[in-house]
Amino acid sequence: GAVVSQHPSWVICKSGTSVKIECRSLDFQATTMFWYRQFPKQSLMLMATSNEGSKATYEQGVEKDKFLINHASLTLSTLTVTSAHPEDSSFYICSASFSTTYNEQFFGPGTRLTVL
Amino acid sequence: DAKTTQPTSMDCAEGRAANLPCNHSTISGNEYVYWYRQIHSQGPQYIIHGLKNNETNEMASLIITEDRKSSTLILPHATLRDTAVYYCIGIIQGAQKLVFGQGTRLTINP
Repeated sequence: GAVVSQHPSWVICKSGTSVKIECRSLDFQATTMFWYRQFPKQSLMLMATSNEGSKATYEQGVEKDKFLINHASLTLSTLTVTSAHPEDSSFYICSASFSTTYNEQFFGPGTRLTVL
Repeated sequence: DAKTTQPTSMDCAEGRAANLPCNHSTISGNEYVYWYRQIHSQGPQYIIHGLKNNETNEMASLIITEDRKSSTLILPHATLRDTAVYYCIGIIQGAQKLVFGQGTRLTINP
C-alpha cells in the first residue's frame, strides 16, 4: 500500500516552454503533498507544500509564479514549470502524506527534467 | 528541527549488519528521529522512526541512546539492494516538513 506515482518519469523540453508533472497517490487519499527538487549529487530540497483545495505554501527562494502547483483532489497534485530554462533541469520528486500527525511521507519515483 | 550529523559514506560487506550512526545532540524532547533512504535515481523511502525507545520493523532497527543525542540505524543482514543514501532527520511529530541533510552514502560490497 501507500504507492505514489509520477508522470512523466523523464521529460526533455526546449527552453521557454512549460512542463507539467503529475503526482498521484494510488491507494490512499493524501491530505498533504510535497514537491522537492534534487540537483545532481545534492540532497532533496523542499519546494512547496500543498493541501487539497488550498494554495500551496512555497519555501523561501522558490518562485511561485514559475513553479505552479495545483492540488485539485486528494489523489492528484501537479507541478508546472513555466518558461523552463536550462537551470531548471533537475530531478523533481513529489511525496504524499495521509496523516497530519505523523511525518511518514510516501515518495514518488521522481521526474527527471532536462531543459535544452 | 534538530540538526543531525552523519558520516558522508560507509561501506559494509553483504550479509553483515550495517550500522549507520547519526548525531543529534540538540534534539528537543518532542522531536522524533526519522530515517529515510534514497536508492540512486529513485524517490526516498521511509525506513523507521522513534522517540525514546528502540524500534524494530521488517526493514531495520533503530537504537536511540538514553540521552537521545545520537542514534544508530541497523540493517541486520545487508544486501546489495541496500546500497543507498540514508538520511537521519529530527522532526516534531506532525510538523510534516522533512529537511534532508547530506546523509550517509552506504555501499554494500559483495
